[in-house]
Amino acid sequence: AQSVTQLGSHVSVSEGALVLLRCNYSSSVPPYLFWYVQYPNQGLQLLLKYTSAATLVKGINGFEAEFKKSETSFHLTKPSAHMSDAAEYFCAVSEDDYKLSFGAGTTVTVRA
Amino acid sequence: DAGITQSPRYKITETGRQVTLMCHQTWSHSYMFWYRQDLGHGLRLIYYSAAADITDKGEVPDGYVVSRSKTENFPLTLESATRSQTSVYFCASSHRGDQPQHFGDGTRLSIL
Repeated sequence: AQSVTQLGSHVSVSEGALVLLRCNYSSSVPPYLFWYVQYPNQGLQLLLKYTSAATLVKGINGFEAEFKKSETSFHLTKPSAHMSDAAEYFCAVSEDDYKLSFGAGTTVTVRA
Repeated sequence: DAGITQSPRYKITETGRQVTLMCHQTWSHSYMFWYRQDLGHGLRLIYYSAAADITDKGEVPDGYVVSRSKTENFPLTLESATRSQTSVYFCASSHRGDQPQHFGDGTRLSIL
């Protein structure tokens, strides 16, 4: 069974600064990995998905994530934070490619 | 408009009552899912369905019942609501198992 650990339940960054959200997973097989974003009172939206085609995955809104098998990590980054990036971010993993296991989430606050 | 809609958006009920949360999608997606979102837990899968008349348990199915007589609908029923079922419930769908899941805006359920 897979599990997902997101390091840090809250992250605060200045506008224009790097955003780094950490995700580690445990899986007995090469997994499918996802990052989702949730804005207040809304459902989750897919930011990006790793499917083994490339270790660096580019997503929407300037986000990207790097898959590192040796570290079992899939950290999410954005070079320059914008106020509109304030939201909650979830890392998720699937071994069989349809049942998702989610991390507990990281809330991002962007300071002006 | 095409998409996935959940109803009601907000619901308050009492312990012991039966309550049904509705989910409707217009994409004819094969897969549908129900999650609950609680602080510190991220999203946890309650039930899922791979096609009409095919349902299966997720991580936290106790106290819930689902049905899927039509591809587009996937209602979730709490047969005798308990306070521990107070949560935000999300429905999601995907075309195939290897496609990203699309989420509704959620139902915030409070059980008094």
